[in-house]
Amino acid sequence: QVHLVESGGGLVKPGGSLRLSCAASGFTFSDYQMTWIRQAPGKGLEWISYITSSGSYANYADSMKGRFTISRDNAKNSLYLQMNSLRAEDTAVYYCARDRLSAHEGMDVWGQGTTVTVSS
Amino acid sequence: SYELAQPPSVSVSPGQTARITCSGDALAKQYAYWYQQKPGQAPSLLIYKDSERPSGIPERFSGSSSGTTVTLTISGVQAEDEADYYCQSVDISGRVFGGGTKLTVL
Repeated sequence: QVHLVESGGGLVKPGGSLRLSCAASGFTFSDYQMTWIRQAPGKGLEWISYITSSGSYANYADSMKGRFTISRDNAKNSLYLQMNSLRAEDTAVYYCARDRLSAHEGMDVWGQGTTVTVSS
Repeated sequence: SYELAQPPSVSVSPGQTARITCSGDALAKQYAYWYQQKPGQAPSLLIYKDSERPSGIPERFSGSSSGTTVTLTISGVQAEDEADYYCQSVDISGRVFGGGTKLTVL
């Protein structure tokens, strides 16, 4: 069974940092690009970043560049999102997804999400 | 990056046909993807490459493309189809989502 499980969310003060993790199972993790997406309360989906299968290249939404860093450990079947200088507007549910867009097949597997709340 | 425009809401009676549009200049050159998100759940892939259905997606869901507009059509809408629907595409800087459309089944 293909599965993604996010963790690491929680309550953090403005200016603080948080590292999210996404554990993959049921597929060969190292074969796939991966993506982070977030959804603020009551709002739509917002793409954050993707990383290539080897981890050699990553891209970010303009609003996240410089504060967020995506990485992966293929030996551990895990994807990460390091978030620094957090702001209230970063409050959201954060999803990881398997990204098959280079093959034109969409984001075909999603985790259940982890909630990040930025508040003093 | 560019934007994808969707109507905020669409309402339809059970058994009727719902059409949700998504517009953006890059759609003339890039494929569109559709995701369904039911309340309290993560999104899931509904349509890829403009009109292809992943396995397990009912035939009543279909996608089409014309110029800079793509359309998600749900034929014979059922109560369980009430959800938020998002289009998505790619550009040189990454991925972009439309603002989402809330489908209400009356």
